[in-house]
Amino acid sequence: AQSVTQLDSQVPVFEEAPVELRCNYSSSVSVYLFWYVQYPNQGLQLLLKYLSGSTLVKGINGFEAEFNKSQTSFHLRKPSVHISDTAEYFCAVSLNTGFQKLVFGTGTRLLVSP
Amino acid sequence: GAVVSQHPSRVICKSGTSVKIECRSLDFQATTMFWYRQFPKQSLMLMATSNEGSKATYEQGVEKDKFLINHASLTLSTLTVTSAHPEDSSFYICSARGLSEGGNSPLHFGNGTRLTVT
Repeated sequence: AQSVTQLDSQVPVFEEAPVELRCNYSSSVSVYLFWYVQYPNQGLQLLLKYLSGSTLVKGINGFEAEFNKSQTSFHLRKPSVHISDTAEYFCAVSLNTGFQKLVFGTGTRLLVSP
Repeated sequence: GAVVSQHPSRVICKSGTSVKIECRSLDFQATTMFWYRQFPKQSLMLMATSNEGSKATYEQGVEKDKFLINHASLTLSTLTVTSAHPEDSSFYICSARGLSEGGNSPLHFGNGTRLTVT
């Protein structure tokens, strides 16, 4: 079975500072990896995904993530955050087979202050 | 494109009553829809997977008689919480994958329904 670990439940950061949200996964087979963002009382919006190919993937809103197979990590980064980036961020994994069933991490709350 | 609409966004009901939540794919046909439950400050837990025209597949520990799922068309799935109790209060989110999308395509999520049982 797959699992996802987001060690940081909350990450406070000042506006325009860089940020990294950590994600580690566990799986005995190849997986697809995703980052989603959730604003209060809303559903999830896809930020970016890794399916195959280049290990550095770029997403929306200036976010990027790097897939590291040896470290089983998929950390999310942004070089300069905005107040509007304050939200909950979820890392998710699914098997790279035809049926996609997402397993989510526990989420990291990014708090951007002025 | 690929909009998923969930209704209602918020609902308050009395203990013992039933509540129906709708999940619609507005601009695409969804062969598979997923229902998640999210407790405060926690992650999303998959409750069940529904495929159009067939019975839903429930995750371990989810009571199928309590959480009735119907996926009668390619654009609509419903979740009915029967005989609701305060412990059923939660945030329910649906997601969908389009008919023409492959298994590695990202899911499209609705905006969720906040259920409060008093």
